Amino acid sequence: GAVVSQHPSWVICKSGTSVKIECRSLDFQATTMFWYRQFPKQSLMLMATSNEGSKATYEQGVEKDKFLINHASLTLSTLTVTSAHPEDSSFYICSAFRDYPPYEQYFGPGTRLTVT
Amino acid sequence: DQQVKQNSPSLSVQEGRISILNCDYTNSMFDYFLWYKKYPAEGPTFLISISSIKDKNEDGRFTVFLNKSAKHLSLHIVPSQPGDSAVYFCAVNTGNQFYFGTGTSLTVIP
Repeated sequence: GAVVSQHPSWVICKSGTSVKIECRSLDFQATTMFWYRQFPKQSLMLMATSNEGSKATYEQGVEKDKFLINHASLTLSTLTVTSAHPEDSSFYICSAFRDYPPYEQYFGPGTRLTVT
Repeated sequence: DQQVKQNSPSLSVQEGRISILNCDYTNSMFDYFLWYKKYPAEGPTFLISISSIKDKNEDGRFTVFLNKSAKHLSLHIVPSQPGDSAVYFCAVNTGNQFYFGTGTSLTVIP
């Protein structure tokens, strides 16, 4: 079955540093990938839609200069949290949308970011 | 390999009837299960969850059933309403990871 991977699965960084999270679709092409933030026992919050070859579309309230998204290929999107602060500590989950049949959305396992 | 499977990509139900969405998982060590609802162009919304110590959890029109021996959970919506039309994802949270199913698109016909 289709698999989406994220790397790293868990990262600890110091306040003020930047962290890059990778999202890969392993056996299908995904023109569109999504980045979410998971708060404990709450909805996944859509942060941005990542489109291959063009700029990401950010949801209202999400700082695009802080959360840099690059969708460099049909199988890879990256999220860089710049100048991380403790309040950025969270689960970050990506998903990839297969844009040919079956049109399904596959989620990555998430990346736990802890900023100290 | 998919850890969580939703084998029905779509489901159509008449308004007022019961909707049953199914989900199977592979690892008997999973201990917390969630259902999300997703409208187009929006992020998934948490609906209901259940831990492995229970076999049923109810919230209004939504009930989740867990059958640990079969490694199966289901979401029942009764009565179904047109506003329930959406894609439903089941998910497992274990430790630092989430595993999601591929979703079932529910259409409730007025």
